[in-house]
Formats: sequence, C-alpha cells, structure tokens
Amino acid sequence: GQSLEQPSEVTAVEGAIVQINCTYQTSGFYGLSWYQQHDGGAPTFLSYNALDGLEETGRFSSFLSRSDSYGYLLLQELQMKDSASYFCAVRDWQAAGNKLTFGGGTRVLVKP
Amino acid sequence: ETGVTQTPRHLVMGMTNKKSLKCEQHLGHNAMYWYKQSAKKPLELMFVYNFKEQTENNSVPSRFSPECPNSSHLFLHLHTLQPEDSALYLCASSLGTSGSPGEQFFGPGTRLTVL
Repeated sequence: GQSLEQPSEVTAVEGAIVQINCTYQTSGFYGLSWYQQHDGGAPTFLSYNALDGLEETGRFSSFLSRSDSYGYLLLQELQMKDSASYFCAVRDWQAAGNKLTFGGGTRVLVKP
Repeated sequence: ETGVTQTPRHLVMGMTNKKSLKCEQHLGHNAMYWYKQSAKKPLELMFVYNFKEQTENNSVPSRFSPECPNSSHLFLHLHTLQPEDSALYLCASSLGTSGSPGEQFFGPGTRLTVL
C-alpha cells in the first residue's frame, strides 16, 4: 500500500516563503503531484515530479528526491489568495492510468 | 471551471432514500474517478474507470454503486446510506495512461448529508 505524511497546518505572513514537506512510502512509484484546494472548492493541479530535482512554475516550485522518498512544495512571495489546503499525491506505477493516492493535506494560512 | 461538472452540488437524504450523483466531463478524457473527502481525512479514492471499464474498487461498501455509461459520464448511485457517509464526493477525470501524468481535473463536488 501507500502512505504519505505532510504537516497538518502552516501559518505565514504575506511575502514570506513556505515549504510543505511530503514523505511517502509506496510499493511502486511513478511520480509525486501537488494539488491546491481552497475552502469550498475543488482540488486543482499544481505540479508533477517524476525525476529528482526542482521544477519551478512561477511562485511555486516542487522538489523530489526519489532516494529519500521525499518531496516538497515551495510557495514564494506568499499572497493572501494562497491560503488553501495543499495535498501531495503519489502516482503508483502498478496502477492503470493516473491513479493517485493523496496525503492528508496541509492547511496554509497567510496573514497580512 | 475545470471542464468537469457535478450535480447536485448539495444533497440531503435519509438513510432509506435512493439518490444518484452525476458527473460529466467535457475534456475528452478516458479515465474517471470518484473520491470521498471527509473532514480531517485524506481524499479517499473510491472507484476508477478507464474507457468505461471499472479498473479499481477500493473496498467500497455495496451501498455505493458506480455506473459509467460512456467516457464522458459517471454516476454514483446511493442507497441505504449511513450518517458516516456524509462527506464531499468529488469526481475527477484524466487522460489515463497518456497526457499530462499525475494530473487529474476535479469537479466542484457534491456535499452529501445523510440524516
């Protein structure tokens, strides 16, 4: 089976940098995805890492270390609209298609 | 708008009722998913369909019955539910084995309350 661990909550101020860590245990691994979900909204895709290293997309970056079964999402220049829950998800190589197993989510609260 | 719609957005039902949730995707995807999201718990995958065929049933109780008549539509039929089934039910779609890996497109969800 798969299990993912991420912190439950992080609080930061506008303009700050937040790093959300995700560690995973899985019997097979294809890649690590990150999703954002605002209260009352649907999860939306942010990034996907299949290889080691850092992927940058605007203010958000995602990192993966396959040897450490570890990844993180970096939120830079935080804005109030970044207040949301962030989920890491593992794509399992044994599964058909794009099956994902999600972590419990990290609630990010951005304060003025 | 993600191209995935769900109806109804809110549903209140008694334990003896029968109701259905509907999901439709306008993205040309061939894989569709049902998830359950409860407070303080991870998103739980319930069912996966690839090209209308069910490829995953994550030990879901039989009171939840999925139906996928074509690659664009997915239903979740509900009967004799329990109060602990109250949750947000999310539908998602993806290109399956092709397309952007690790990316699924979610609908807005149906907030279900079982009395």
